[in-house]
Amino acid sequence: SQQGEEDPQALSIQEGENATMNCSYKTSINNLQWYRQNSGRGLVHLILIRSNEREKHSGRLRVTLDTSKKSSSLLITASRAADTASYFCATDRSPSGGYNKLIFGAGTRLAVHP
Amino acid sequence: GAGVSQSPSNKVTEKGKDVELRCDPISGHTALYWYRQSLGQGLEFLIYFQGNSAPDKSGLPSDRFSAERTGGSVSTLTIQRTQQEDSAVYLCASSLGGFTDTQYFGPGTRLTVL
Repeated sequence: SQQGEEDPQALSIQEGENATMNCSYKTSINNLQWYRQNSGRGLVHLILIRSNEREKHSGRLRVTLDTSKKSSSLLITASRAADTASYFCATDRSPSGGYNKLIFGAGTRLAVHP
Repeated sequence: GAGVSQSPSNKVTEKGKDVELRCDPISGHTALYWYRQSLGQGLEFLIYFQGNSAPDKSGLPSDRFSAERTGGSVSTLTIQRTQQEDSAVYLCASSLGGFTDTQYFGPGTRLTVL
């Protein structure tokens, strides 16, 4: 069953604009990760944020985590056409409460137009 | 160094036939995961191997699905008597240790059952 749920499901922006994607989850977590997927193939890890962290940066990426709201956001600043991909959040706890695998959301499809 | 590799990259089979999908994880990674992704959907966890422990098979959708990991390295996912609903991209990932470590994904195998 699904733990993380991203919104929006799809996002279309122009190059240079910022893109914000959100992820909500149901149970307490130790950490939350964001992954990117191009063309329906392998995923690439972007960033991991721990439950005791509120914000993390990596290049043009900014991730926030609000454990009280059980939500996270991924911000991509100054977007480029090459950022076009699907973005997934993954949490380390299943909805049943067990720790045994990453649970991925359904993803946000981002399209950046030149 | 070499990443996770999967073979074949594409597989077309007829309904009722058996298929084997292979995953070569990153050397030294003790954890290995199989996921399934249907078109436009998120990742569905299938099975998780961690070292010499018994695998977590809780995500396997039916007894037609099985997986092995020989010598703590290469893994094979077998689907017997394939059905059209088995058509999907099958993704393998490995991580250094714990199940919440960063996962490194292979390029996937696109399975089409006619």
